[in-house]
Amino acid sequence: GAVVSQHPSWVICKSGTSVKIECRSLDFQATTMFWYRQFPKQSLMLMATSNEGSKATYEQGVEKDKFLINHASLTLSTLTVTSAHPEDSSFYICSASTIANPTYEQYFGPGTRLTVT
Amino acid sequence: GENVEQHPSTLSVQEGDSAVIKCTYSDSASNYFPWYKQELGKRPQLIIDIRSNVGEKKDQRIAVTLNKTAKHFSLHITETQPEDSAVYFCAASTSFGNEKLTFGTGTRLTIIP
Repeated sequence: GAVVSQHPSWVICKSGTSVKIECRSLDFQATTMFWYRQFPKQSLMLMATSNEGSKATYEQGVEKDKFLINHASLTLSTLTVTSAHPEDSSFYICSASTIANPTYEQYFGPGTRLTVT
Repeated sequence: GENVEQHPSTLSVQEGDSAVIKCTYSDSASNYFPWYKQELGKRPQLIIDIRSNVGEKKDQRIAVTLNKTAKHFSLHITETQPEDSAVYFCAASTSFGNEKLTFGTGTRLTIIP
């Protein structure tokens, strides 16, 4: 149980275009979803936290108008990178948690590798 | 906000020896401390976690210790095997993980056969 999927697993887009990444909890209802960005050989940096039906809370330095997050249901959150530029190329990972799980563990998706050319 | 420091950044040990990775945190409100193993291009995998109400937890070859007073926690891997080679991240969170995780900078562990 507790499976989180992401789609696509990798994407290449041209500079100036937008790309949407989906994060789904397959067998549980995710109270909260988190979006992380990981550059090569670096740690995971939290971008934003989203609760179903609420606006996402962005970390300091993350442009909310550039990284649009929607958490419309308890099983789906999307991250849209708008007007992507080469510096947005990174590994984007989502995670999900539920208060129904007494361990409160965060379950991570497999990640999406974004390359902007 | 929370700040998590992790040392060392790289660690090489002979197969069969022990490996220790240390982390310190700054926010005394943090109460959940997971450790993740990440292989190249893959998702982080939770290998062990500890909550602030205990000082030590063990799972086979892996153990974690927590010193709340000093605000540091450590990962111990005994009888290391080649498949233990990976990048390890510590993290800290309040609200037992239902709040955001702040990750350490990572330790690249290499097991030498």
